[in-house]
Amino acid sequence: SQQGEEDPQALSIQEGENATMNCSYKTSINNLQWYRQNSGRGLVHLILIRSNEREKHSGRLRVTLDTSKKSSSLLITASRAADTASYFCATDGRNTDKLIFGTGTRLQVFP
Amino acid sequence: EPEVTQTPSHQVTQMGQEVILRCVPISNHLYFYWYRQILGQKVEFLVSFYNNEISEKSEIFDDQFSVERPDGSNFTLKIRSTKLEDSAMYFCASPSLGHFSYNEQFFGPGTRLTVL
Repeated sequence: SQQGEEDPQALSIQEGENATMNCSYKTSINNLQWYRQNSGRGLVHLILIRSNEREKHSGRLRVTLDTSKKSSSLLITASRAADTASYFCATDGRNTDKLIFGTGTRLQVFP
Repeated sequence: EPEVTQTPSHQVTQMGQEVILRCVPISNHLYFYWYRQILGQKVEFLVSFYNNEISEKSEIFDDQFSVERPDGSNFTLKIRSTKLEDSAMYFCASPSLGHFSYNEQFFGPGTRLTVL
């Protein structure tokens, strides 16, 4: 089944450092999306990367996609305490637009 | 980011009771989705709804669940007889382009359902 798995499960860094989170999935996709979720709150859409794209930037975010390895990474540069949250990847599929979410990475940024 | 709203933000109910969760998706959109997230777990797909019909549903979405769009704007998720294991955060989502589903999905703030 199509499934996203993130690693690491948890990441603690100091403000100003970069944070890298990885996501792997199992089946062919159209798009891969990254979301942020503050504790107990809603899902905030960060970025979408299509299967024919290899890299995408948005502000301090950089996302890469390697469809041959079925993996993606999210890099947050110059992290801030406000970046503290859980980050999820989500994939759709060739024949379905439903999103399959990964298990998430809990990021803690210490001031 | 286009706004999806949900009401109520928190619903507490007794086991066996019916609950209706409401969503106001991005206007003029035809695609809508419901997901849920049990505390501490990953977000799970429940159902997708296109042009007033269910287009896909998960194994979770059994006969106790139903969706409808009663008045052309609100999109509801009904659980007929709630169980303890239905306690979760329920999210409504709407794609960025309402007439094409393979795009960004924007999520509402969620309804936290607590079944006692």
